[in-house]
Order: sequence, then C-alpha cells, then structure tokens
Amino acid sequence: AQSVTQLDSHVSVSEGTPVLLRCNYSSSYSPSLFWYVQHPNKGLQLLLKYTSAATLVKGINGFEAEFKKSETSFHLTKPSAHMSDAAEYFCVVSPDTGRRALTFGSGTRLQVQP
Amino acid sequence: EPEVTQTPSHQVTQMGQEVILRCVPISNHLYFYWYRQILGQKVEFLVSFYNNEISEKSEIFDDQFSVERPDGSNFTLKIRSTKLEDSAMYFCASSPGQGIKNYGYTFGSGTRLTVV
Repeated sequence: AQSVTQLDSHVSVSEGTPVLLRCNYSSSYSPSLFWYVQHPNKGLQLLLKYTSAATLVKGINGFEAEFKKSETSFHLTKPSAHMSDAAEYFCVVSPDTGRRALTFGSGTRLQVQP
Repeated sequence: EPEVTQTPSHQVTQMGQEVILRCVPISNHLYFYWYRQILGQKVEFLVSFYNNEISEKSEIFDDQFSVERPDGSNFTLKIRSTKLEDSAMYFCASSPGQGIKNYGYTFGSGTRLTVV
C-alpha cells in the first residue's frame, strides 16, 4: 500500500521569499514521486518527477524537490516566490510498476502576497 | 502543446439522472484515465482504460459507472443514476504508454459535476 501526506493545507508567502511545500510518503516498494500544480480552471500540470535517478530533481518554473528516503520525504521548494505561483499543489506517488493508480496527497494551496 | 480537453467544464444534473462526461485525449495516446476530487477531499483514481477495455478500476467505480471510447477520439465516463455524493470534479488523463514513470500523464482541466 502507499500513501501521501501533505503536511500543510495552506501556505502563504510574500513575493520574493522562499517556498517550502512539505510532502511525506509511505510505500512498500520503490516509488516514483511527482508534484503537480493546478491553477484555477486549469488542468493538473506536472512540475517535476522523481523516478529513482538523482535525488534532487529540478522542475519547471524554478521549482525543485529532494527525495530523502531516510525521512520518506519529497518536499517542494523554490528560492523566490512569484505571484504566478499561487495555485494548488499536489504531491503524488506511483508504484514502480505499470498500470496501477496514482495516489494523491490532499493538496496545498499556496498564496503569494505582494 | 497538446492538451486533453474535457467538456463541459461544469454540469448540473438532478439526482437519479444519467450524465456523460466527455474527454478528448491527446491523439497518439493509448492509455486513458478518470480521476475525481470531491470538494475538500483528495483526488481519487476511478478507472484506467486501454485497448478498448478497462485495465484497472477502484472500489468507487461500481456498476453505476461505465467508460467507453465510442469513436476513437472521445473517451467518456457515464454515471447511470447520479447521487448527491457523485458531486465532484472529474479529471480525465491520457498517456502514450504504460506507467507514469516513463511516459507521464496529461490531465484535462476537469468537469465539475453538481448533483442537486
């Protein structure tokens, strides 16, 4: 079985300050991990993915995440928030085999204050 | 950039009515999925579809639900007799191959279904 816990339902930062969105997972096998973003009235867009290669993963729009097996974490970070980063962010885990379903976290709503 | 298109964006239906949610996956994709998100809850897997048959489904996907690819371009989710608890955002996704690790999924923008 697998699960994902996003530790914060809401995060508010000021523009230009760092962003940290926390995600912990549990999995009985070697998982793949993803961060998706959803802007209002838009689809779920892939930000970045970890698939057992480098533990520090860089994604789009300046986001990155570090896979820490010892802490079972996959936190999303960005050095400097931009107003356009305001959105809902989902941490997602997938088994390391083909067709099985994705497991989503409950989401973190990021607000960016001017 | 290719997109997954879902229509309508918002649908209101009366309890007990049948509803069909439509999706146009990316044209060269072979695997198709439906997920849903009840307001305030997690995104949940419903069903995956490949080669004109269901390849996996969740406990949520009971006999009230069905999927089909009627014409080679659309991918539909039908709910036969809607219940209040079916109110949710429904997401369609497609991928060119099996497994998100190697191929990734492209999600649509969702259809918000409201059952009254």
